Amino acid sequence: TQLLEQSPQFLSIQEGENLTVYCNSSSVFSSLQWYRQEPGEGPVLLVTVVTGGEVKKLKRLTFQFGDARKDSSLHITAAQPGDTGLYLCPGGGADGLTFGKGTHLIIQP
Amino acid sequence: DTEVTQTPKHLVMGMTNKKSLKCEQHMGHRAMYWYKQKAKKPPELMFVYSYEKLSINESVPSRFSPECPNSSLLNLHLHALQPEDSALYLCASSQEEGSSYNEQFFGPGTRLTVL
Repeated sequence: TQLLEQSPQFLSIQEGENLTVYCNSSSVFSSLQWYRQEPGEGPVLLVTVVTGGEVKKLKRLTFQFGDARKDSSLHITAAQPGDTGLYLCPGGGADGLTFGKGTHLIIQP
Repeated sequence: DTEVTQTPKHLVMGMTNKKSLKCEQHMGHRAMYWYKQKAKKPPELMFVYSYEKLSINESVPSRFSPECPNSSLLNLHLHALQPEDSALYLCASSQEEGSSYNEQFFGPGTRLTVL
């Protein structure tokens, strides 16, 4: 079973600050997705990274896949209250998605 | 169309009731999934259907019974549930099960409360 750890588990910061959240695993993933989930709603896919070292940008969000495809980071610049949510980074493999516990992010106005 | 729809949005049922959750996608995806999610926890995989056949059952109690009538529809039949089964039930789909890209698209979920 592949294990995936996300850190921090909880983060509360002020609007306008920058932040980085992390996904780490001892296993290699063929791909890794980042999702944001708001309370009572389903997770929404933000990005998929596939190639080691890959960097993708989505407006103020920058996603990076580690060279060895075992870890990933999400950097948010100038965080806004709309960024609040549970961030999930399941890794993909032959058995489907492996979920970590997620990062609960709160951006305070 | 990248939408997965789920009905109902909310469901309250007694422990003796029989109810069903429904999920639909029209993206041509051949893998569909049921997840259970408790508050402040990540989704937990329950079942995977691949090409309309059950391929993974994560040791889910028999009071949950999945059904895949066709490639676009996925049902979850509920019978004799317990209060601890109250949760958000999420449906997802992907192009194929276990593919290297494996992007899953989630529905909005059904909030189930068992009294």
